[in-house]
Amino acid sequence: EAGVTQSPTHLIKTRGQQATLRCSPISGHTSVYWYQQALGLGLQFLLWYDEGEERNRGNFPPRFSGRQFPNYSSELNVNALELEDSALYLCASSLYQLAGDTQYFGPGTRLTVL
Amino acid sequence: AQTVTQSQPEMSVQEAETVTLSCTYDTSESNYYLFWYKQPPSRQMILVIRQEAYKQQNATENRFSVNFQKAAKSFSLKISDSQLGDTAMYFCAFMKRGGANSKLTFGKGITLSVRP
Repeated sequence: EAGVTQSPTHLIKTRGQQATLRCSPISGHTSVYWYQQALGLGLQFLLWYDEGEERNRGNFPPRFSGRQFPNYSSELNVNALELEDSALYLCASSLYQLAGDTQYFGPGTRLTVL
Repeated sequence: AQTVTQSQPEMSVQEAETVTLSCTYDTSESNYYLFWYKQPPSRQMILVIRQEAYKQQNATENRFSVNFQKAAKSFSLKISDSQLGDTAMYFCAFMKRGGANSKLTFGKGITLSVRP
C-alpha cells in the first residue's frame, strides 16, 4: 500500500510570491492534515480537511489556505510569501476523523523563501 | 489548550542499551490519545507507538514500550536494545478524542543519538 505522498520535494520562492504544495493521502483515507515544521518553532498544526471541507484551522494568517479535492488529495497555498514561511511542510492522512485515528505522514515539502 | 513538554533536547545511548525519553502533557480532557513519532534525518515522520488514555495497559511495539501515568500526565518512551537505526528526533504528541479537535499537538522533540 502506497503511503502519503507530497510534491514537490523542494520549493524555492522569493518573498511576495505564491507557493502551492500538494499531498495525496493513503488510499481510503478521507482526512488530510497540514503541519508546519519551522526551525525553532517545532511542529504546528495548520489545516485539517475531511470530505472536501475545512474542519479546523491552526493559528495561521488567512494567506495560508488550501482545499481538498473529490479524490481526497489536497493542496496547500501560501500567498504573499514571507521569509518566516521557510519551513518543512508535512501532510498527514487518517481514516476516521472522529475516532482520533492515527495520522500517517508524508515525506514533506521543504519551502525556502528568499 | 493542550501542551506537551519534552524537557530533554538531546540524549545519547550506546548501541544495545536501553534509553527512556520523557514527555509530560497538560490537559483538562479525559478522553485522548498519546503518540510517539520518530523523524530520522530523512525527515519522514514515522509512528512509533500509540496509547489510548482510557486503557490502563501500557502500549508496546517490539522494542518500544511506554510508561503511561495518567494521573501524573506523564508518557515516557522506553527503547530497549537500541540500534543505530533508532538515531532520530522523537516527538511526543497529544490528540483529543473526536469532534473538531483531530489535530496533533507536538512537543519540541528530542534528538536521540545511538553510538556504535
